[in-house]
Amino acid sequence: GENVEQHPSTLSVQEGDSAVIKCTYSDSASNYFPWYKQELGKGPQLIIDIRSNVGEKKDQRIAVTLNKTAKHFSLHITETQPEDSAVYFCGRGNTPLVFGKGTRLSVIA
Amino acid sequence: DAGVIQSPRHEVTEMGQEVTLRCKPISGHDYLFWYRQTMMRGLELLIYFNNNVPIDDSGMPEDRFSAKMPNASFSTLKIQPSEPRDSAVYFCASRLGTGGNEQYFGPGTRLTVT
Repeated sequence: GENVEQHPSTLSVQEGDSAVIKCTYSDSASNYFPWYKQELGKGPQLIIDIRSNVGEKKDQRIAVTLNKTAKHFSLHITETQPEDSAVYFCGRGNTPLVFGKGTRLSVIA
Repeated sequence: DAGVIQSPRHEVTEMGQEVTLRCKPISGHDYLFWYRQTMMRGLELLIYFNNNVPIDDSGMPEDRFSAKMPNASFSTLKIQPSEPRDSAVYFCASRLGTGGNEQYFGPGTRLTVT
């Protein structure tokens, strides 16, 4: 499968601020875009996903936007809290699921 | 369900030794994936199975790596002989069906080859 480019690789924000992580892809046939959160010492866990027939999806403080024309999608976390500190991975495709290289988010209290 | 179970959680071995990592997927899941995670390369897919059959092993780095799934509730990833560059965290994940369903990851096995 083709790669997913994820930026930034590290991100530090003050508690209460917003965090945005962006991913780009090249395979125009992709129709499923999940985001996983990995806490220290654990495996990644799905936090939100979006399919190609939708431009935006929200779940409380997190949201994902998708621009299929530009082939990029983003994770938005508002009102960040210390427990949001983790590594976040974007993914594309389905079988197999291809992941970006991850973004280490640090929320500073 | 207890989730995806991996063993051992930590493995330290000397170069040249054989290493076997084990995974028990969530009951009823028909897809099983093996990933390797390193700082440099991120989360890499090594191989995946569907209904116990290997579908794509193009991510397996070399012939020293092999994986099996003898039944729906058990899979192994073997490295023989191991090398220091194999040091990484190895994750197993399972999933039910296709269509964008969630992949459930195990806690990982941290492998250190000295």
